[in-house]
Amino acid sequence: GIQVEQSPPDLILQEGANSTLRCNFSDSVNNLQWFHQNPWGQLINLFYIPSGTKQNGRLSATTVATERYSLLYISSSQTTDSGVYFCAVRDRETSGSRLTFGEGTQLTVNP
Amino acid sequence: GAVVSQHPSWVICKSGTSVKIECRSLDFQATTMFWYRQFPKQSLMLMATSNEGSKATYEQGVEKDKFLINHASLTLSTLTVTSAHPEDSSFYICSAGAGGFGNSPLHFGNGTRLTVT
Repeated sequence: GIQVEQSPPDLILQEGANSTLRCNFSDSVNNLQWFHQNPWGQLINLFYIPSGTKQNGRLSATTVATERYSLLYISSSQTTDSGVYFCAVRDRETSGSRLTFGEGTQLTVNP
Repeated sequence: GAVVSQHPSWVICKSGTSVKIECRSLDFQATTMFWYRQFPKQSLMLMATSNEGSKATYEQGVEKDKFLINHASLTLSTLTVTSAHPEDSSFYICSAGAGGFGNSPLHFGNGTRLTVT
């Protein structure tokens, strides 16, 4: 099945700093989503971005489907940004199938 | 936007009992729903795909007789953990998509934290 690798696994920032999270995937995809899992376990859908660039406030994401990677940018980080960020993809060849998750990036933003 | 509701949000049960978790699509119909499990400090792993009106498809290593899935309507799927044991303690999350596969995002419930004592 498709492989999803996220980096870095852990990231510690001071409030106000910027960061870039990366997601590499091993095959063509027709769905890529970025999630933020908060301390209560809720998965917050940040972006649906199988290709191109999107922005939402301090967050933006870019997916280069031909090169099989996606980037999540967090600017002016806040303590509330802490949590785990997951990238998840759907394999283009198995349309109708599951989202496969990466291992996540644990982000800690210190005041 | 599309909303997936999951209930209960947490449950504590005794070893040997069964627990039912409900997953509802509130404002759309879902012929397929997905059940994931997440252990502490780990990622989400797909357990099974729930298909409306037919049998669920289980991932390798997931016991279908232990994790019973029923998808009786286009808006409701249930996961029943039968004869629960402490090792079944985990975070269970369901998801569903509102549009055609490949063209729309999946939406997730808030999860159910199961603790088996």
